[in-house]
Amino acid sequence: AQTVTQSQPEMSVQEAETVTLSCTYDTSENNYYLFWYKQPPSRQMILVIRQEAYKQQNATENRFSVNFQKAAKSFSLKISDSQLGDTAMYFCAFMSYNTDKLIFGTGTRLQVFP
Amino acid sequence: NAGVTQTPKFQVLKTGQSMTLQCAQDMNHEYMSWYRQDPGMGLRLIHYSVGAGITDQGEVPNGYNVSRSTTEDFPLRLLSAAPSQTSVYFCASSYVLAGSSYNEQFFGPGTRLTVL
Repeated sequence: AQTVTQSQPEMSVQEAETVTLSCTYDTSENNYYLFWYKQPPSRQMILVIRQEAYKQQNATENRFSVNFQKAAKSFSLKISDSQLGDTAMYFCAFMSYNTDKLIFGTGTRLQVFP
Repeated sequence: NAGVTQTPKFQVLKTGQSMTLQCAQDMNHEYMSWYRQDPGMGLRLIHYSVGAGITDQGEVPNGYNVSRSTTEDFPLRLLSAAPSQTSVYFCASSYVLAGSSYNEQFFGPGTRLTVL
């Protein structure tokens, strides 16, 4: 069974600084997707970034980028130039090519300070 | 497009009561799913459906029933509510996943359920 582990329950960063959130996963499969979701206080789940495992190039979306290490089964999220609006829970998630199921980590609460 | 809608936003039940959480989407998505979110547990899959008439169990299905009679709607039923079902419930939808590029799951705003 696949598992997703986020070992940092809480993180904090000052506005305009860079922060990295960690995620590791366990799977025996070779083809899968990885995701980072953001959940602000409004509770809405928002997709931040997606990585397909067969792609070696790390995904980037504006200030958000990932460091995907397939052999190490690691998928960290880097937020550059942090903004107050980045304050939220961040969830890492895994999905196999063979199923339709998203497996979530337990989340990291990020606080951005002015 | 309204996206994924959920009703109600909040609900308080007594132990043993039944209720249905509603979920609807207007994006013609084949795949719909229900998750529950508990503190320190992330989101866990309860039930999912890959199309009308097809449902399957997720990670934590006990105590919940689902049906999918139309593409648009995917209600979640609690037959006899228990305090352990106190949680925030999310519905999500997407095009059929598994090997497709169109696999972003769109989430509803959530329903906060308290069972006393």
